[in-house]
Amino acid sequence: AQSVAQPEDQVNVAEGNPLTVKCTYSVSGNPYLFWYVQYPNRGLQFLLKYITGDNLVKGSYGFEAEFNKSQTSFHLKKPSALVSDSALYFCAVRDKAAGNKLTFGGGTRVLVKP
Amino acid sequence: KAGVTQTPRYLIKTRGQQVTLSCSPISGHRSVSWYQQTPGQGLQFLFEYFSETQRNKGNFPGRFSGRQFSNSRSEMNVSTLELGDSALYLCASSSERVVYGTQYFGPGTRLLVL
Repeated sequence: AQSVAQPEDQVNVAEGNPLTVKCTYSVSGNPYLFWYVQYPNRGLQFLLKYITGDNLVKGSYGFEAEFNKSQTSFHLKKPSALVSDSALYFCAVRDKAAGNKLTFGGGTRVLVKP
Repeated sequence: KAGVTQTPRYLIKTRGQQVTLSCSPISGHRSVSWYQQTPGQGLQFLFEYFSETQRNKGNFPGRFSGRQFSNSRSEMNVSTLELGDSALYLCASSSERVVYGTQYFGPGTRLLVL
C-alpha cells in the first residue's frame, strides 16, 4: 500500500528566508509525486509533480521540489518565502497499483512572518 | 478554461437525511475523483469515475455513492447522514486516466451535519 508522511505539522519561516516542506513516501512501484497548496476555504491548487527524469522539478509560484529515490523523499522548497505563501501544503503519491487514486500526507501548515 | 466547479459550496443537513453534491470537471476532462477532507482523517479518496464507470473506490461505507454522466459531470450522494460525515468534499478532474496525470481540484462543498 502506498503512503506519504509529512513529519512537520507546521513550519515557521521569516519572509525572504528559504522555505522547505518535507515529504517522504512509500510505494511498491515507481512513484508519481505531487505537491498541492490549500488556502483557507479553497480547494487544492496544483504546484508541481515528479514523473521521471530530472530529480529537481520546478513548479508554480517559484516552488521547486527535489526527488531523492534513495531517501524516498520529495521535499518542497522555495528560495525566498513570501507572506502570501502562508497556507497548508500537501504532498501526494500515486502508483500504478492504486490506479488514479492520490494518497495524501497529513499536510504541513506554513506560516511566513513579515 | 474554466476550472472545476462544485455546487453547492455550503450545505447544512441533519442526521438521517441524504445529500447530493455536484461536480463539473474542466472542459474535456473525462476522469472525476472525489475526496473527503476532515481535520481528523485528512484527505481520503472516495471514488473515481471515468467515462461513466466507477474505476476505483476508497474505504467508505456503501452510504457513499456516486455517478458520472455522459458529459463527464459527476454527482456524489451520501445517504443516512451521520455527524461524522461533516467534512469538505473535494472533486478533482483530469484529462486522462493515467497515473502521472495531474488532478485539478474544485473549491469543495463544505457539509455540516447537525
